[in-house]
Amino acid sequence: DAGVIQSPRHEVTEMGQEVTLRCKPISGHDYLFWYRQTMMRGLELLIYFNNNVPIDDSGMPEDRFSAKMPNASFSTLKIQPSEPRDSAVYFCASSARPDTEAFFGQGTRLTVV
Amino acid sequence: AQKITQTQPGMFVQEKEAVTLDCTYDTSDPSYGLFWYKQPSSGEMIFLIYQGSYDQQNATEGRYSLNFQKARKSANLVISASQLGDSAMYFCAMREGVGTGGFKTIFGAGTRLFVKA
Repeated sequence: DAGVIQSPRHEVTEMGQEVTLRCKPISGHDYLFWYRQTMMRGLELLIYFNNNVPIDDSGMPEDRFSAKMPNASFSTLKIQPSEPRDSAVYFCASSARPDTEAFFGQGTRLTVV
Repeated sequence: AQKITQTQPGMFVQEKEAVTLDCTYDTSDPSYGLFWYKQPSSGEMIFLIYQGSYDQQNATEGRYSLNFQKARKSANLVISASQLGDSAMYFCAMREGVGTGGFKTIFGAGTRLFVKA
């Protein structure tokens, strides 16, 4: 298995632009998570899906952030409009069951200038 | 309120020695899971070990073991025979509501481990 695949690996964008991060979970994993990692706030859970349905989005910082999972093999995290304080590493992870580990993608390093 | 506490921002250990990374947690949920992840400088998150709240035995995975003290709400990671490649950031995480399909996993602030040759 190729593991969780995220794209792009790096993204540099100007303030105000729309940014879309992509994730392909491990096949057969029913749970998908989006995390954000910054030096100041550490790893924060933004949202997670179960069987493509958003279960908990309480970690999404603002309405500028949205996430979708149109099918079991694809999810997006969109920021519109982006701001410099959104600069972070965004991780996608997937898991098969509550009592098993989440497998993380390589992350997308987002820089908003 | 902070639910996962890692009190050691940084730790040094001599190669081949054992090291314990501390983690305490707070939950009222009887069914939860505890995880440790390693994040090397390359940035990926690597799963190390898992402990369920109802597990009677402490979890072990190779050189990693989890010292689970439920009454004290601690889940310390023990790395035996440290190697230079163990130098990394280590995160403790807790997932609540495991028994009811819950999945909200929160992470501690991490401990940076430096292994000295």
